[in-house]
Amino acid sequence: GIQVEQSPPDLILQEGANSTLRCNFSDSVNNLQWFHQNPWGQLINLFYIPSGTKQNGRLSATTVATERYSLLYISSSQTTDSGVYFCAVYTGGFKTIFGAGTRLFVKA
Amino acid sequence: DTAVSQTPKYLVTQMGNDKSIKCEQNLGHDTMYWYKQDSKKFLKIMFSYNNKELIINETVPNRFSPKSPDKAHLNLHINSLELGDSAVYFCASSQETGYEQYFGPGTRLTVT
Repeated sequence: GIQVEQSPPDLILQEGANSTLRCNFSDSVNNLQWFHQNPWGQLINLFYIPSGTKQNGRLSATTVATERYSLLYISSSQTTDSGVYFCAVYTGGFKTIFGAGTRLFVKA
Repeated sequence: DTAVSQTPKYLVTQMGNDKSIKCEQNLGHDTMYWYKQDSKKFLKIMFSYNNKELIINETVPNRFSPKSPDKAHLNLHINSLELGDSAVYFCASSQETGYEQYFGPGTRLTVT
């Protein structure tokens, strides 16, 4: 089946720094989402981005479906950005596959 | 006006018991899901329902039985609970299969 790999697995940032999180997938996908799981466990939708680039405030995402990867950019990070970032791909076989996540900690 | 809600939020029970988790969405979506998140935060799909019909069952033990009384509800019943069932269970919904998914707050199940 399709493999979804996220990197880096862990990331520590100083408040105000920028970062790029990556999601690679091993086969073509129909759709891709990015989520933020906050320290209270809530899964928050960030982007629904099967292809192209989207921006929402300090966050933006780019998916290059033909090259099988997606990037999540966080600029001017804040302590509230801490948590786990997941990408999830929809493969068309009614399956959604999640990556293992990137654990982000932003220091004040 | 919560979009996807789950009850209960926490569930502590003993091995061998039977328990249910309820999920409701008020988004008018046609597709609902159950996911399991283990202690390492890994998320895996368990079931997917479209218009009250089961469309995917990801090799989940028969002890887990989803029930969808209508398009807005997808409940999860678990028989004969085992220690390994301890996890956080998330319900989600989407407009159609493969569309953007919205998650509930999760139910933390602890089996002792």
